[in-house]
Order: sequence, then structure tokens, then C-alpha cells
Amino acid sequence: AQRVTQPEKLLSVFKGAPVELKCNYSYSGSPELFWYVQYSRQRLQLLLRHISRESIKGFTADLNKGETSFHLKKPFAQEEDSAMYYCALRGGSQGNLIFGKGTKLSVKP
Amino acid sequence: GAVVSQHPSWVICKSGTSVKIECRSLDFQATTMFWYRQFPKQSLMLMATSNEGSKATYEQGVEKDKFLINHASLTLSTLTVTSAHPEDSSFYICSARRLAGAPDEQFFGPGTRLTVL
Repeated sequence: AQRVTQPEKLLSVFKGAPVELKCNYSYSGSPELFWYVQYSRQRLQLLLRHISRESIKGFTADLNKGETSFHLKKPFAQEEDSAMYYCALRGGSQGNLIFGKGTKLSVKP
Repeated sequence: GAVVSQHPSWVICKSGTSVKIECRSLDFQATTMFWYRQFPKQSLMLMATSNEGSKATYEQGVEKDKFLINHASLTLSTLTVTSAHPEDSSFYICSARRLAGAPDEQFFGPGTRLTVL
């Protein structure tokens, strides 16, 4: 079965601290994984995708096929990073996204 | 950048009435659009996949006769909630898949808050 698991509903850190949002997936084929972010009162937007292997707003995520994980990391969290983060897997023949339940990141001053 | 709009942004209706929600890709063509539903403090659940000019593909457990989807053009998909009931109250979000150009990406609308009284 195709599934995305984000074990933490809420993650609270202080500004400047490292942050890691966990994501594990279950997929029988070759996965395509994404992180989406939703800031307060804004629409969902793409943060990064694993195939790009890029760093966006200081965030990185590495696909670990052995551990079936795609954790999102940032070495120094900023207050403006506070948002809802969703890990997603592209599955199905039409490219639909399967979302995890999301992790709310709260960065305190 | 690619923008997806939804109209209305919120709607309140009486039980038993029908409500139509529009999803438009403003500056790109989308052969595929997706409709999601999001309950409070929960994740997005895919309801259906809408392809231009063909019937929508519904996810298991989603009543196709209740949630009518029409994708009449490359920039417009509509979701009609028929005979709405209070349990249909939710946040409905559409996304449009841009295939032309790289990379292949989905862009999300701002969502429509439906409240059924």
C-alpha cells in the first residue's frame, strides 16, 4: 500500500536550533517525494522535491531508500519557518499526491 | 509563476442544496486537476482526479453522484456538491498539474470552505 507517515503532529523548537521533520513512506515502485509547506492563511506550496536535490530556504531532504525515509532538515530554524509541513508521495498512474498528516512546526523566539 | 484560483473562497448553504466550486489554472494549461478534502487539523485526502474531456476518477469511498466533477477545458474544473449535508462541511482544495515545461509540478488553489447548515 502507498502510504506517507509523519509521526510528529507538532514540533516546537527555539530560533537557531536545528530542526528535523520526519517522513517515512511505503511504496512498491521508485518513489517521487516532496515536501509541501503551508504558512498561516496561505495555500499549500511546494518546498522541495527529492529529484532536485536542492536546498530551499535552508531546508534539505535526502531520500533514504533503505530506511524508506525523506526527512526534512534545517540546521538553524527561523521564526518565519513556523508553518504546517506535509510530506507527499507521487503515486498512481495520473500523478496524484499522497500526503502525510502533516507536522506543525513552531519556532519560538 | 503558475497560479490556481478557486471560487468561491467560502460558501454557506442550506442542507439539501447544491454548491458548485470552480478551480482555474490562470496562466497555464492543466490536463489534470485534482480535488482534495481537508478536515480540521487533518491532512489532505484525494477525492478525485479530473482529466480534461473525460470522466473523473474517484477515490474509493467517494460518491461520484454526490461530488460531480466536470473538467470542460484545459483551465477549468468544477466540483459540485449535490444535496449537501452538514457532514459535507469541509475545506475543499484543488490542484492543477502542469506538464508543459519542467518540472512536472502540481499547483494548489487557496481552498474553498464549505459550511452546510
